[in-house]
Amino acid sequence: QLQLQESGPGLVKPSETLSLTCTVSGGSISSSAYYWGWIRQPPGKGLQWIGSMYFSGSTFYNPSLKSRVTISVDTSKNQVSLKLNSVTAADTAVYYCASSTGPVAGWYFDLWGRGALVTVSS
Amino acid sequence: SYELTQPPSVSVSPGQTASITCSGDKLGNRYACWYQQKPGQSPVLVIYQDNKRPSGIPERFSGSNSGNTATLTISGTQAMDEADYYCQAWDSRTVIFGGGTKLTVL
Repeated sequence: QLQLQESGPGLVKPSETLSLTCTVSGGSISSSAYYWGWIRQPPGKGLQWIGSMYFSGSTFYNPSLKSRVTISVDTSKNQVSLKLNSVTAADTAVYYCASSTGPVAGWYFDLWGRGALVTVSS
Repeated sequence: SYELTQPPSVSVSPGQTASITCSGDKLGNRYACWYQQKPGQSPVLVIYQDNKRPSGIPERFSGSNSGNTATLTISGTQAMDEADYYCQAWDSRTVIFGGGTKLTVL
């Protein structure tokens, strides 16, 4: 059974880079069945899609974050990574890793990790 | 950019039917899905491709999508259904979430 686990620093300083890793277990990150996405949720607020990646290398980013975001896959470690640079307090949020179908099937996220709280503060 | 609009809150009495709407331009022309999120927990998919239920989701959850509105319906609402609900669709290779609706079971 597929499981996702986010990991990374819980505290990042302003202007620095937020880096998170999602470890996939119970399945291959290279499977053609999945897209891998990152979604975030600021405290007390709604969900915001950050971006998604297909194992082939295709990436899709939220236009409002595109200039600061990189999503990549490490097939040797079965991991998906998120990097968000030049962070500010507005980037404080719970960051979720999730697997999804592709756009043709509706691009819905059928499995979510537990989430990782990242606070941006000096 | 494409937007999805949900009412901030909906209230329902136990055993009654709750309906949560999600509005977007020609939303009926694309797939919509719905997530349930309880406090301190990750979102859970409850409806996908407009009206399909994932395995393990109770039959009281149903969905529809036509025109500019997708609707999540919970029949015979139970106290355990009290949660935040988010609709989601995609447009121009971008995933969009609605702002969320807090369902209160009074």
